[in-house]
Amino acid sequence: DIVMTQSPLSLPVTPGEPASISCRSSQSLLDSNGRNFCDWYLQKPGQPPQLLVYLGSIRASGVPDRFGGSGSHTDFSLTITNVEAGDVGIYYCVQTLGIPWTFGQGTKVEIK
Amino acid sequence: QVTLRESGPALVGPTQTLTLTCTFSGFSLNSDGMCLTWIRQPPGKALEWLARIDWDGDKFYTTSLKTRLTISKDTSRNQVVLSMTNVDPEDTATYYCARTQADSYDDIMTGRKIYFYYMDVWGKGATVTVSS
Repeated sequence: DIVMTQSPLSLPVTPGEPASISCRSSQSLLDSNGRNFCDWYLQKPGQPPQLLVYLGSIRASGVPDRFGGSGSHTDFSLTITNVEAGDVGIYYCVQTLGIPWTFGQGTKVEIK
Repeated sequence: QVTLRESGPALVGPTQTLTLTCTFSGFSLNSDGMCLTWIRQPPGKALEWLARIDWDGDKFYTTSLKTRLTISKDTSRNQVVLSMTNVDPEDTATYYCARTQADSYDDIMTGRKIYFYYMDVWGKGATVTVSS
């Protein structure tokens, strides 16, 4: 199985400042057509996860452009520009290249 | 509007079989590109992908639980059922179902369709405790 490793596991942030989360996969998630099979989800407190980004950098419908996914092969990042109080929660990366799909451990983002 | 709701027993005894139902509306699992995925989350822990069933009937399972899981769909009732045999206290978790969309692009070398997936709408989850 592909292992997804996130860092940091905890991220205190200041509203208005940027924040970045890293995700590393144990195998390349880049296919021969240049697509990266890495997605990002946010689980706000007491809620189910919600899709933010798929295929590495494509924002899901309704997701603010403050959220941006980047990276390729085995190294991926989710960057939030101008963090807002409502962005707190646990962020997960997941690979969908191979079965089984596997999630990272999660990164808890909280306001300083 | 797409909605999903998980249902099942809140408490199940060790070694028993857990049966969870996802009842959905706003889409059809008969439609091309529509799939449904089950994911679980033990208390205070990370998400774990369990299984997926596709519009064409294909089924996929996580490696570690493959022998204990069965996923099935009843398209006439808009339901997907996940069964887990021989449950253990470590199976205590919130179980989510999520609509999963399969989109595609053409492989530049072969021209065949390459599918990619994303879980775009989730249910609220069903909490299951395994205990005697």
